[in-house]
Amino acid sequence: EAGVAQSPRYKIIEKRQSVAFWCNPISGHATLYWYQQILGQGPKLLIQFQNNGVVDDSQLPKDRFSAERLKGVDSTLKIQPAKLEDSAVYLCASSLGKLAGDADTQYFGPGTRLTVL
Amino acid sequence: GQQLNQSPQSMFIQEGEDVSMNCTSSSIFNTWLWYKQDPGEGPVLLIALYKAGELTSNGRLTAQFGITRKDSFLNISASIPSDVGIYFCAGHRGTSYGKLTFGQGTILTVHP
Repeated sequence: EAGVAQSPRYKIIEKRQSVAFWCNPISGHATLYWYQQILGQGPKLLIQFQNNGVVDDSQLPKDRFSAERLKGVDSTLKIQPAKLEDSAVYLCASSLGKLAGDADTQYFGPGTRLTVL
Repeated sequence: GQQLNQSPQSMFIQEGEDVSMNCTSSSIFNTWLWYKQDPGEGPVLLIALYKAGELTSNGRLTAQFGITRKDSFLNISASIPSDVGIYFCAGHRGTSYGKLTFGQGTILTVHP
């Protein structure tokens, strides 16, 4: 079974530029997550989709970050304009999408390492 | 926001030694998870715990869900070089579409 795919793996941009990341979840997974992982910290959830609807975007800096999952499959995360503090690894994860009860096992992609100069 | 305090921050051990790390929270979680992250990769789930007091093993790994539901422990026995990596705890409230809250990680280095 193919895992979560992400591209690009690395991106270097200058501050105030725009950047976009792409994620293709595991086939059949209804829930998709974007995390930001700053060096030396654990992943922090930015946004969670259930199919093509947003479930939680409470920690997404909406003035500069946006994400979409138009057809309920793959997703893009965009930063416009980027700031120095956006340098991090951006992880995408997917899960089957249980409605309640035990935590739904999340499978992570390899991440995109963003460096903002 | 909600934080998990994970300790120690880093460990340097000899191959064959046992390792213990823990995670504490100021509030209750209904599920505790332990992940391992290798360089350049995303976290991989090691063990999931669903009931307070539960003790679960996965090979040389053993994890426990604290009775208070505010903590969890991970033990690795007879460490080997491939155990090197960053270990994260994560808590989940068990609600619909509930999100994971991660600790800050424990960096494990194993000397041959």
